[in-house]
Amino acid sequence: QQQVKQSPQSLIVQKGGISIINCAYENTAFDYFPWYQQFPGKGPALLIAIRPDVSEKKEGRFTISFNKSAKQFSLHIMDSQPGDSATYFCAASDGNTDKLIFGTGTRLQVFP
Amino acid sequence: DAGVIQSPRHEVTEMGQEVTLRCKPISGHNSLFWYRQTMMRGLELLIYFNNNVPIDDSGMPEDRFSAKMPNASFSTLKIQPSEPRDSAVYFCASSSGTQETQYFGPGTRLLVL
Repeated sequence: QQQVKQSPQSLIVQKGGISIINCAYENTAFDYFPWYQQFPGKGPALLIAIRPDVSEKKEGRFTISFNKSAKQFSLHIMDSQPGDSATYFCAASDGNTDKLIFGTGTRLQVFP
Repeated sequence: DAGVIQSPRHEVTEMGQEVTLRCKPISGHNSLFWYRQTMMRGLELLIYFNNNVPIDDSGMPEDRFSAKMPNASFSTLKIQPSEPRDSAVYFCASSSGTQETQYFGPGTRLLVL
């Protein structure tokens, strides 16, 4: 129940296309859903986060869509760029702990 | 701010040796996390501290692993004795509270021969 399932494992997108990464969870106590971006040789860094009181959050080309009833959330990268090539992790937590439960990661490659 | 600082950045050691990884969290942050990243297992939380106290060590693989946080600005992760399967990138992260952003360090790449 503590797992966050992430798909796909890898994704290849052409420059200008839309990248979509999906995550699903079981624990209904989760109320914070961040996405982290990791470039090769670096640590993960927070990209964008959402709480379940909204169904969508947009920051520039990055959008999180959240479906509370389905217990799913997804990251959409519009107009994907080669510089977006990285590994993306979804995560979830509840308010009772500092602990984040991470998904297994999606390696995104954007080709020119 | 310098961000989370980890040392060493790379470590190569032989099986059976003791390995000590070090972390300096961001000043003012009261939560510190140790993660391990491998291709097979992804990003795993090993242990986390709040106000220097270990809160959850359920991810520590076995007794060979130990972690300490003697003060708010320093933590260590020790592996003794090390084994080849411990080869991974170890990240330290810190945050200022529950559901606040976790800031990751650059990681320590450990290779145990």
